[in-house]
Amino acid sequence: DQQVKQNSPSLSVQEGRISILNCDYTNSMFDYFLWYKKYPAEGPTFLISISSIKDKNEDGRFTVFLNKSAKHLSLHIVPSQPGDSAVYFCAASVASGTYKYIFGTGTRLKVLA
Amino acid sequence: NAGVMQNPRHLVRRRGQEARLRCSPMKGHSHVYWYRQLPEEGLKFMVYLQKENIIDESGMPKERFSAEFPKEGPSILRIQQVVRGDSAAYFCASSLPSGRQTGNTIYFGEGSWLTVV
Repeated sequence: DQQVKQNSPSLSVQEGRISILNCDYTNSMFDYFLWYKKYPAEGPTFLISISSIKDKNEDGRFTVFLNKSAKHLSLHIVPSQPGDSAVYFCAASVASGTYKYIFGTGTRLKVLA
Repeated sequence: NAGVMQNPRHLVRRRGQEARLRCSPMKGHSHVYWYRQLPEEGLKFMVYLQKENIIDESGMPKERFSAEFPKEGPSILRIQQVVRGDSAAYFCASSLPSGRQTGNTIYFGEGSWLTVV
């Protein structure tokens, strides 16, 4: 049972435009969400988080939106840069629980120069 | 380097041998997590440990796999009698103790790539 889903395995965006990466979850108990970026042969790098008490969190070029009723979150990257080309993972947990994060399968973003 | 340290980065084992992967958490972190990434797949949770205590091992295969986080020293993920299907990238992550307000974020190491031949 895939509790966290990233239905788009890949995405191509022109440099300077907006990249929107989507993530859906099924467990209504999830209340803390993270986004990671991963380059080949490296570990995931933390990008941005959001708690369920918020519907938006912004950090520089990265903004995460949370729609609890739809059990959906998205990561917006504006403007997109070639260095953003990587695999992006969303992760969810029950913050009051064991901190076990469930990851999506990832979306490969390619930013075209 | 105050990040999560994993070693070895690459490990080759023959079928039937044992693999030991080590992880030192970030300074001040007392929680360690192990994740596995099979080729072309996402990150799968394996186990969550605190010092001398396994909190959640629901993602660990029932046989051949074990993990520990002793009072002193790094966390160890041990795979006995490895098979080809164990070939994967194993990532360790660490976090602050539960209940802290400074984010519930886990930080990953660079990974250990196990190849079973």
